[in-house]
Amino acid sequence: LAKTTQPISMDSYEGQEVNITCSHNNIATNDYITWYQQFPSQGPRFIIQGYKTKVTNEVASLFIPADRKSSTLSLPRVSLSDTAVYYCLVGDKDGANNLFFGTGTRLTVIP
Amino acid sequence: EAGVVQSPRYKIIEKKQPVAFWCNPISGHNTLYWYLQNLGQGPELLIRYENEEAVDDSQLPKDRFSAERLKGVDSTLKIQPAELGDSAVYLCASSPHRGRYNEQFFGPGTRLTVL
Repeated sequence: LAKTTQPISMDSYEGQEVNITCSHNNIATNDYITWYQQFPSQGPRFIIQGYKTKVTNEVASLFIPADRKSSTLSLPRVSLSDTAVYYCLVGDKDGANNLFFGTGTRLTVIP
Repeated sequence: EAGVVQSPRYKIIEKKQPVAFWCNPISGHNTLYWYLQNLGQGPELLIRYENEEAVDDSQLPKDRFSAERLKGVDSTLKIQPAELGDSAVYLCASSPHRGRYNEQFFGPGTRLTVL
């Protein structure tokens, strides 16, 4: 089981780029890296998923180095509405390891 | 497109009472998940369905929890009897893909309070 380690919390000013790093030293060959965002009183929302190098969508970018032992979620020019908890998940899409969200990173965007 | 629907949104019961939660996934999504989320923690998977088959229920406390998805569409999660420690948010999610780590679409959850 590839466990993940994330910072418990981060603060950022509005308009800045925010990078949240997730460590997953035991990532397996078939594992993907997935990030979710959760606002208070809502269910998590899928942000981005990747396997290697860089993935970008309209919301965020995901950077994965060659050794894949860590990954960085990058949120460009955050706004107050980006205040949320961000979860990094690592696992095989069809495999037998448990689906584990962990405690996530609580991002607070400051005006 | 309608999202995942859960009801009720809130439920308060006394301990030892039974309780049931209902989930209607996004149309066409064959995979359905039930999670439990405690305050300050991430969601914990209870059970995963592929159509009507429970393919991943190792985390479901089977002595008091049960779930069903009889026609492979909506699903019900039941607790009987409820204990104080069951107070949490119960989340339902669905996905058009099989497997655990594909994109999931979550409902708003049911907040259960056991007194």
